[in-house]
Amino acid sequence: SAVISQKPSRDICQRGTSLTIQCQVDSQVTMMFWYRQQPGQSLTLIATANQGSEATYESGFVIDKFPISRPNLTFSTLTVSNMSPEDSSIYLCSVLEPPYEQYFGPGTRLTVT
Amino acid sequence: AQSVTQLGSHVSVSEGALVLLRCNYSSSVPPYLFWYVQYPNQGLQLLLKYTTGATLVKGINGFEAEFKKSETSFHLTKPSAHMSDAAEYFCAVSLNQAGTALIFGKGTTLSVSS
Repeated sequence: SAVISQKPSRDICQRGTSLTIQCQVDSQVTMMFWYRQQPGQSLTLIATANQGSEATYESGFVIDKFPISRPNLTFSTLTVSNMSPEDSSIYLCSVLEPPYEQYFGPGTRLTVT
Repeated sequence: AQSVTQLGSHVSVSEGALVLLRCNYSSSVPPYLFWYVQYPNQGLQLLLKYTTGATLVKGINGFEAEFKKSETSFHLTKPSAHMSDAAEYFCAVSLNQAGTALIFGKGTTLSVSS
């Protein structure tokens, strides 16, 4: 299975600022995903990122708040913009490996003060 | 709409005891079902999956799950718990038959006592 790394592993940010999270995969993958895991909650899909096309956002998530880049088949970034305390969560990226399996990175733990 | 219900947010067992984590789903299409485990401060690790074929699926670390269509269930079991099994477990269903759009349950925290 793919090995996925994320940077930073954790951060504490002030409200109103932005943070860019990086996701690096050790092999080329077509589909990457970004999830949010709020404290004590399950995972919620933010968006799907395919190389060479705009990210597809799920209901309740917008590009202005969570811009995503996917410059190549091994890398993606998620930016959390104009942060508020409600954005405090773990953000995880995942990749799809045939057949049907998603593999997850270790997550980025974000605290907004 | 597809959904996943995990009965019991916390399950406690003794080391060596049977582990049973419950998952029920609703899906308008034949479901693809997954169990993931999350150890503290780590990402999710795929335990096992059901797509088609044999309804009893075996995964890593001695876990297995049985797809029961009549009961819309996909419960996770392990015959003998080990201390290292203590973690959070998530059941997920795919909204399509490509495994891309996953809906997760709220998770069950498994505690194992000696």
